[in-house]
Amino acid sequence: AQKVTQAQTEISVVEKEDVTLDCVYETRDTTYYLFWYKQPPSGELVFLIRRNSFDEQNEISGRYSWNFQKSTSSFNFTITASQVVDSAVYFCALSESITSGTYKYIFGTGTRLKVLA
Amino acid sequence: AAGVIQSPRHLIKEKRETATLKCYPIPRHDTVYWYQQGPGQDPQFLISFYEKMQSDKGSIPDRFSAQQFSDYHSELNMSSLELGDSALYFCASFSPNEAFFGQGTRLTVV
Repeated sequence: AQKVTQAQTEISVVEKEDVTLDCVYETRDTTYYLFWYKQPPSGELVFLIRRNSFDEQNEISGRYSWNFQKSTSSFNFTITASQVVDSAVYFCALSESITSGTYKYIFGTGTRLKVLA
Repeated sequence: AAGVIQSPRHLIKEKRETATLKCYPIPRHDTVYWYQQGPGQDPQFLISFYEKMQSDKGSIPDRFSAQQFSDYHSELNMSSLELGDSALYFCASFSPNEAFFGQGTRLTVV
């Protein structure tokens, strides 16, 4: 069954530290998408990244980087030099096609990141 | 347990018509997200509401508007429909630890 696991419920780091959020997924599909979302205290869900299952190239965007490894079914997210504004709940999500044009989205339970000043 | 309810499940409209999609979040969830998913596309975030106030806005056309009501249900209003608006529209109800998507409304513009 499809599943997204974020084993880290909560992480606390001191500002300027690097932090990696883990995400492990399970799926039978060969075509799927992986996402990371950020939910700051204000409540909105902020899309961070989408990764196609055929694109294993790692990506860096500013202080954010993502490491996608199909061999281990992992899609980890690293924040370099963390800042207080990075404090939020981060969700990893998996979307799969159920039927043509219909998708199912599976989110992990989220990792609450606290960056302390 | 109650899930996110979206209505209608299917909707067929002609170009230039207006459509209203409704979303009923999980009880006690105060946040609603709307997504649009075109054929073969990944979902696109449209707009979100937190405590009846718009909290974020994505790629929502000016022809679209949305609001969240006092009972936390939300409506997405789409005017002057275009063929390109044909898509699956998801609503998501969110709590700090889990996100719930409705089953979607499939809008077909002909």
